[in-house]
Amino acid sequence: DAGITQSPRHKVTETGTPVTLRCHQTENHRYMYWYRQDPGHGLRLIHYSYGVKDTDKGEVSDGYSVSRSKTEDFLLTLESATSSQTSVYFCAISDPGQPSSGNTIYFGEGSWLTVV
Amino acid sequence: SQQGEEDPQALSIQEGENATMNCSYKTSINNLQWYRQNSGRGLVHLILIRSNEREKHSGRLRVTLDTSKKSSSLLITASRAADTASYFCATKRAMDSNYQLIWGAGTKLIIKP
Repeated sequence: DAGITQSPRHKVTETGTPVTLRCHQTENHRYMYWYRQDPGHGLRLIHYSYGVKDTDKGEVSDGYSVSRSKTEDFLLTLESATSSQTSVYFCAISDPGQPSSGNTIYFGEGSWLTVV
Repeated sequence: SQQGEEDPQALSIQEGENATMNCSYKTSINNLQWYRQNSGRGLVHLILIRSNEREKHSGRLRVTLDTSKKSSSLLITASRAADTASYFCATKRAMDSNYQLIWGAGTKLIIKP
């Protein structure tokens, strides 16, 4: 298994509160991603990072922000959680510079977030 | 928008039978990947097939790619209970940056003992 650790794995929070999900990798991969997975929608990209302090928006970035201060850590913050952000969040990593497996994405185990 | 669309959405077969699931896409791709997701877990990469390849094998998995039909199939032979999972295809479109993969909604496979 790829060395990806997500925390917390499960969280229940109230509407309007800030929430931060953490992703830590030990693979030294350049790219890191945050996806959300909802029934009927598959995986949707929230934000991604292509290097330290280099981040960009994905297709569902509204209401989310990210930060990457070190290669190994990628944080996802919900500034003011809403019920529509109840979901499973997956951190993922890849290393596009590797010719043999550059497009392969490795996933963490997920963080289940419930906003009540 | 979803480029990859898996078919069927759900599939239930007896252990030992073969399972086939399909993925269709709309625009030219560089490669297509298949992933497996066990219940409550993250996705795991199974196999990648490039646009200039037609077939790849990995153990009991066989993936085909037909670029003229813009479709791929994943065949799992001699299925086992442990193959029960959701299977997703992801396409790397020729037009997109390295980071972008387009994900389908998945096929849920149930293997009955």
